[in-house]
Amino acid sequence: GAVVSQHPSRVICKSGTSVKIECRSLDFQATTMFWYRQFPKQSLMLMATSNEGSKATYEQGVEKDKFLINHASLTLSTLTVTSAHPEDSSFYICSADPEERRTQYFGPGTRLLVL
Amino acid sequence: QQPVQSPQAVILREGEDAVINCSSSKALYSVHWYRQKHGEAPIFLMILLKGGEQKGHDKISASFNEKKQQSSLYLTASQLSYSGTYFCGTERVSYGKLTFGQGTILTVHP
Repeated sequence: GAVVSQHPSRVICKSGTSVKIECRSLDFQATTMFWYRQFPKQSLMLMATSNEGSKATYEQGVEKDKFLINHASLTLSTLTVTSAHPEDSSFYICSADPEERRTQYFGPGTRLLVL
Repeated sequence: QQPVQSPQAVILREGEDAVINCSSSKALYSVHWYRQKHGEAPIFLMILLKGGEQKGHDKISASFNEKKQQSSLYLTASQLSYSGTYFCGTERVSYGKLTFGQGTILTVHP
């Protein structure tokens, strides 16, 4: 149980285009999901907390107009990187918390490369 | 606010033991431990909710000293599969967000 999926697993795009990443909780409902970014050999940095039915909460320094988050249902959250630039290239990971288990389970991650 | 992990890296031979520490300058509600293999998502190992709580999972166990705001992860009789980067994630309030340490790279050789 507590499986989280992400799609796509890998994406390469041109600078200036937008990329959408989906995060799904497969066997539980999640009112809250989290989006992280991880640069090579670094820690996981929380970008935003996605809340079903309300606006996402962004961490300091994360541009909400650039990283659009939509928590459309209790099992789906999407992150759209708008007008992507090479510096946005990173490993993006989502997580969800099945509250009765009291921790976060991570998706497999999406590796974004912006050319 | 990021917790500090030590050591930064550990190299072991199969069967040896290791301890990874996680310290915070702020009061903590819980500590979560994860292991991440290269290019993969972190895998949940265990959560410690109370001060002094110790948990075990096979040959991996952990303790949480609430007063000292520290947690330690103990790996005994290490196996090759234990190799990876270990992260502690700290939570300051119940159901709050996790803040991760910088990671400890563990390498187990045959």
